[in-house]
Amino acid sequence: AQTVTQSQPEMSVQEAETVTLSCTYDTSESDYYLFWYKQPPSRQMILVIRQEAYKQQNATENRFSVNFQKAAKSFSLKISDSQLGDAAMYFCAYRSGQGAQKLVFGQGTRLTINP
Amino acid sequence: GAVVSQHPSWVICKSGTSVKIECRSLDFQATTMFWYRQFPKQSLMLMATSNEGSKATYEQGVEKDKFLINHASLTLSTLTVTSAHPEDSSFYICSARDGTSFDNEQFFGPGTRLTVL
Repeated sequence: AQTVTQSQPEMSVQEAETVTLSCTYDTSESDYYLFWYKQPPSRQMILVIRQEAYKQQNATENRFSVNFQKAAKSFSLKISDSQLGDAAMYFCAYRSGQGAQKLVFGQGTRLTINP
Repeated sequence: GAVVSQHPSWVICKSGTSVKIECRSLDFQATTMFWYRQFPKQSLMLMATSNEGSKATYEQGVEKDKFLINHASLTLSTLTVTSAHPEDSSFYICSARDGTSFDNEQFFGPGTRLTVL
């Protein structure tokens, strides 16, 4: 079974600085997707960024980018120019490209932005 | 963008009663819907996967007779917590997959907070 591990329960960063959230996963599959979701206090899950395993290029969405190291099974999220609105729980997730395609979530990292 | 709604957003019930939570895809057909449970300060745990018109597939450890899931149409899935007890109090989140999209992206509902007294 696939597993996702986030080893940082909490992180904090100064506003306008850069922060990196870590995620590792374990799988024997070759076809899969990786995601970072944000869950603000409203608890609505918001997709931040996604990465297809077959793509070598790291995904980027504005201030958010990932460092996808397929061989190391690592998928970190970098947030540049942190803003107060970035404060939230961040979940790393894995989804198989086959079968039911259900999401497997990591434990989450609570990100605090210090003004 | 695709929108998924949940109703109710918050419910309080007495122990022993049943509670039904609805999950609707508002602007797309959801061939598959997923139900998650989230305890405070914890991650999302998948409870079951439901496909329209067929029985739900439950994750190991989830009581299918307690958490009844019905996916009767391409836009509606329901989760019924039967004979609820205080330990069932939690945040329940559904997601829906747009089977027509090339990447099968899942869209999340806003969640339902269940409190059992």
